[in-house]
Amino acid sequence: LAKTTQPISMDSYEGQEVNITCSHNNIATNDYITWYQQFPSQGPRFIIQGYKTKVTNEVASLFIPADRKSSTLSLPRVSLSDTAVYYCLVGDMGGYSTLTFGKGTMLLVSP
Amino acid sequence: GAVVSQHPSRVICKSGTSVKIECRSLDFQATTMFWYRQFPKKSLMLMATSNEGSKATYEQGVEKDKFLINHASLTLSTLTVTSAHPEDSSFYICSARPMDRAGITEAFFGQGTRLTVV
Repeated sequence: LAKTTQPISMDSYEGQEVNITCSHNNIATNDYITWYQQFPSQGPRFIIQGYKTKVTNEVASLFIPADRKSSTLSLPRVSLSDTAVYYCLVGDMGGYSTLTFGKGTMLLVSP
Repeated sequence: GAVVSQHPSRVICKSGTSVKIECRSLDFQATTMFWYRQFPKKSLMLMATSNEGSKATYEQGVEKDKFLINHASLTLSTLTVTSAHPEDSSFYICSARPMDRAGITEAFFGQGTRLTVV
């Protein structure tokens, strides 16, 4: 599985757009990029997944450059409830494939 | 989205006793489920991969005789912490991917179980 590197922490204010970048230089051809959100004492929650270019859903956008060696999770207009740890995972998304979590990014949103 | 449920969400047990944690996929089947452990302010660490109808695969450093995993059906996996000690106190989380839904590749996680051994 490709190793990922993310900032340990980020600070933002309500209403701002937050971009969290993840580096994954050793990403393989079959690997997808998936982001999860985790609140304290809860299991991770799926945010978004992509393979290349741009993916958007109702909560976030994921930007992946052509070389796929990095990706950026974009959270539009964050609120206090977006304070959480965000994990970037890279791997073959086959049903039997394990998911290896890196250290994640602790996002703190202030009023 | 698919739902994975863990039970109990919180348990306190005495040192030396055993605790069983259940992980159920409520609306999908999962041939494979995954068990993680998370210590405070740390990331999730994969403990083992639970395989329906066969033995679990444990990560290096995880004692298989201490953390017993049973995956008796396509919707239920259990983790039993045997002879628990205070250092086993942690947050245990299970995960599964739907095997019967085309196009869904993301993994779904249970809400976690907070184990405290006193």
